Order: sequence, then structure tokens, then C-alpha cells
Amino acid sequence: EPEVTQTPSHQVTQMGQEVILRCVPISNHLYFYWYRQILGQKVEFLVSFYNNEISEKSEIFDDQFSVERPDGSNFTLKIRSTKLEDSAMYFCASSEGDRGEQYFGPGTRLTVT
Amino acid sequence: DQQVKQNSPSLSVQEGRISILNCDYTNSMFDYFLWYKKYPAEGPTFLISISSIKDKNEDGRFTVFLNKSAKHLSLHIVPSQPGDSAVYFCAARNNAGNMLTFGGGTRLMVKP
Repeated sequence: EPEVTQTPSHQVTQMGQEVILRCVPISNHLYFYWYRQILGQKVEFLVSFYNNEISEKSEIFDDQFSVERPDGSNFTLKIRSTKLEDSAMYFCASSEGDRGEQYFGPGTRLTVT
Repeated sequence: DQQVKQNSPSLSVQEGRISILNCDYTNSMFDYFLWYKKYPAEGPTFLISISSIKDKNEDGRFTVFLNKSAKHLSLHIVPSQPGDSAVYFCAARNNAGNMLTFGGGTRLMVKP
């Protein structure tokens, strides 16, 4: 069964450093998403992406964040200058259509020290 | 943000019995609801969904009920199995976009 994959599974970085989290969505899906879950809190929406453009973003997704589809398979989330409060599980998801079910990857645990 | 709320942080059920997980929402613009299951160190796994034009959707052992007037949905699992032990999240999407708003989750423990 096709699945969303994410790398790395765990990333440790120092405050102020840039990180790039990578995702490979399900191959025939056209809509891509990033969510995050801070320890002990709810899963929160960050951004959705379609046709090489951001289609929706939350208040969390400020200028420190960016997304890109650099090639036909990868979807990335970049955090330019990480802060301690960026420590969280980051989940990538994809869906076939804009109203379809979203399928999640296993997540990347980001630890900012 | 309390738009989607799961009031029970945990639920313990005997194997073979019914598990009922509940979810309440406040935003009238939500028109699609989903349930996800999550094991530790894994991402949420899609289970079942329901559109606001329906009041019930069934898939095998899983049934989701939607009561729009009460802004309440529930997930029934019957019969419950030990492998169902996980955290269950309800999520909702409004009719203007595709972002999901999640509840806080309910940890289900199915005892053999």
C-alpha cells in the first residue's frame, strides 16, 4: 500500500540553525500538507500546498517557514532560524484531491537545543 | 483553540466489547469529519470519515455517527480488539479550505 515517507526520523539542531525536513508524498496525490505536534499538545495545521503554491497557511507558518517541491517527488519544509519552541513532531500529509482524506507520514522529531 | 474537543483523555474496554469514542465541535462551518488512529512513534493513520450530509458511515468494525444539531460525533468500534489500543483523534475540515483541525485525542486501551 502506498505511503507517505519522511526523512530524517529525528533531527537535532542548535537554536538559530536552518533545518530542512523532507517528505515523499503518495505518488498520485496532488495536495500536500505539513502539520506539527508539540509534546502534549494537539496536532496543528501549518500549511497546504498545491500546484507549486501555498493554498492555505496557519498563523504558525510565519516568515521563518517555507515549503518547496524541488522535484517531482519530494516536498520539503524549511525552518530558517530555529527556536526552542520549534521542537515538535512534524508530520507531512498528502491527499488525492482537495476534499479527500489526508494520509500522514511517520513524522520527523525535531529537537532544538 | 477548542474548536474540536475530545473530553475523555482515556478509555479502557474489555476485548470483544464496544468502544465508543466521542468528539464535540463548535464551528458550524465544519462539513467533513475524520477519525485517525495513532500508535507511538508513528503518524496518524486514517480510519474513517463522514460528510456533514450524512449521519452515519460504517466500515467493517468501525462506525462513525454524526449529530449535527448537537455538534457531536462518535466512533464505535465493535468488537474491540487488543490491537485497537492506540490514541484516537477526531479531526474536522471546514467548507472553505482543506486544513484539518484536530481534537486532543483519546487513548483507548483494550484489555484481553
